[in-house]
Amino acid sequence: EAQVTQNPRYLITVTGKKLTVTCSQNMNHEYMSWYRQDPGLGLRQIYYSMNVEVTDKGDVPEGYKVSRKEKRNFPLILESPSPNQTSLYFCASSLTWKDEQYFGPGTRLTVT
Amino acid sequence: GIQVEQSPPDLILQEGANSTLRCNFSDSVNNLQWFHQNPWGQLINLFYIPSGTKQNGRLSATTVATERYSLLYISSSQTTDSGVYFCAVRDDKIIFGKGTRLHILP
Repeated sequence: EAQVTQNPRYLITVTGKKLTVTCSQNMNHEYMSWYRQDPGLGLRQIYYSMNVEVTDKGDVPEGYKVSRKEKRNFPLILESPSPNQTSLYFCASSLTWKDEQYFGPGTRLTVT
Repeated sequence: GIQVEQSPPDLILQEGANSTLRCNFSDSVNNLQWFHQNPWGQLINLFYIPSGTKQNGRLSATTVATERYSLLYISSSQTTDSGVYFCAVRDDKIIFGKGTRLHILP
């Protein structure tokens, strides 16, 4: 089944404890992206990747890192999480940057 | 950058009613998508519709790119249609509207 998967789906952590949210797609898509969704602010792009080894900042990249070593995986790294990074996170992929996007199921992160 | 506005922000309807949701955007875009976010938070693709009209069951969408708007039609609403509907446009990056929250009463 063609899909985008994210893990974990739910995570409660403490300030400063490094964490990684994984994202994987099995559709051979070139483009992958991370978003966060917050009440009143909607969905905002964090980072995106046009292809392997090519990543770029979105609208809200501060406090996040990404890597794209393989086409299928695009992990989101929070080196030192803070409470303002409590949010619902989505990974998405598309064949190319202008094609239809497919979203993962979301990761609900709480930083205390 | 491009501005995306969705209307209405909230909509409450009785089961069986029809509805039209609107998405206006301020400049030319490369594509446009409609999504439904269900009460569990999942984002479900509805339509990829940079222009023209598409239909999928009780849902249809029309994008008039030259006039910078898109419409999502939901006919014979069901309670499972409840949730938030987003449009997202793309020029060099993806911009989401704030969504329309739809609540279908049984």
